[in-house]
Amino acid sequence: NAGVTQTPKFRILKIGQSMTLQCTQDMNHNYMYWYRQDPGMGLKLIYYSVGAGITDKGEVPNGYNVSRSTTEDFPLRLELAAPSQTSVYFCASSWSQETQYFGPGTRLLVL
Amino acid sequence: GEDVEQSLFLSVREGDSSVINCTYTDSSSTYLYWYKQEPGAGLQLLTYIFSNMDMKQDQRLTVLLNKKDKHLSLRIADTQTGDSAIYFCAEKTGGFKTIFGAGTRLFVKA
Repeated sequence: NAGVTQTPKFRILKIGQSMTLQCTQDMNHNYMYWYRQDPGMGLKLIYYSVGAGITDKGEVPNGYNVSRSTTEDFPLRLELAAPSQTSVYFCASSWSQETQYFGPGTRLLVL
Repeated sequence: GEDVEQSLFLSVREGDSSVINCTYTDSSSTYLYWYKQEPGAGLQLLTYIFSNMDMKQDQRLTVLLNKKDKHLSLRIADTQTGDSAIYFCAEKTGGFKTIFGAGTRLFVKA
């Protein structure tokens, strides 16, 4: 099992550009999550999904969109990148609501 | 509002015990977690404790929970250089919400 994989590892965007952060898990988990981690801060939940076709907003959803067409994939879309979206983005998945397994993260810099 | 607080840094000598402390505000939390993050990696779940427990031991790790004071601690016995990392405390509140602390960076001196 590869667990939770994320691509890319690192990306630099210009203000106003768009991109999709990819997340895939091979553990057949129903629950998937996107977090952002800002320097010196804890993780903040952006969006989550309880199964294919079902997504919901977390604490900080503004400026992001998600989709969940399959159990395995949960991409995060930034439509108009802003400097405030400079962060490290973590995807996670879980079988139950308790134990989350995290991917290695995507470091995003918006200039 | 809901908040989880941790000290930012801890430095110990190899072989000593490390104690990382955390306080939280939501008294309705169901689970409390300790995650470890190594450089360039995601968070790895170390251990968790149900809110109706006082203590949990897992090899070198001991978790203590004081619900009255809303205080959680992680003790690492015989700390090794490989334990150097950032340790996150987190609490699960209602629904899908998990509140994370800012992390404690543990330095282990050889």
